[in-house]
Amino acid sequence: EDQVTQSPEALRLQEGESSSLNCSYTVSGLRGLFWYRQDPGKGPEFLFTLYSAGEEKEKERLKATLTKKESFLHITAPKPEDSATYLCAVRSGANSKLTFGKGITLSVRP
Amino acid sequence: NAGVMQNPRHLVRRRGQEARLRCSPMKGHSHVYWYRQLPEEGLKFMVYLQKENIIDESGMPKERFSAEFPKEGPSILRIQQVVRGDSAAYFCASSPGRSETQYFGPGTRLLVL
Repeated sequence: EDQVTQSPEALRLQEGESSSLNCSYTVSGLRGLFWYRQDPGKGPEFLFTLYSAGEEKEKERLKATLTKKESFLHITAPKPEDSATYLCAVRSGANSKLTFGKGITLSVRP
Repeated sequence: NAGVMQNPRHLVRRRGQEARLRCSPMKGHSHVYWYRQLPEEGLKFMVYLQKENIIDESGMPKERFSAEFPKEGPSILRIQQVVRGDSAAYFCASSPGRSETQYFGPGTRLLVL
């Protein structure tokens, strides 16, 4: 059974203070690792898909990386509008379903 | 280009009533997924459908829950005889193909009194 663990559960940063969010996973045959952003009362918003170890993707202040056991979401010089819950999910084998972690709640203080 | 649409956004039911949640996928998407998010828990997969077919229902409770995606119209998640434990946010996602990125709707928040 696929498992996804995200840490820390919550993270508070000062505006401009860079940091990383961790997503550890256990799957049989990874076919995609996904990062989503979720604002309170809204649905998850797609950020990135990573498929193989060593792959990296960037979007504005966010950069996602992937190894064989974990993924990191690096946030460079965050702003208050980056405050949200960041979700990590995996897809494996012949499945189409996503298995999600519990998310990391990021709060960025001005 | 409208995204995934879900209605209603909020639904209140008394124990024993039926709840019907609707999902219209993004234009051009024929694959629909339903997930449930309980307080303090992550999103959990429930069911995956293509037009007129249930492909994977491994996450659906065995009783009281059903889903359909007819040839015409939205996908519907139906919960019969709701109980308080069914209170949760229910999200629908869609994708253009089986192994492609899933895009989520805003969710339906179900409250069972």
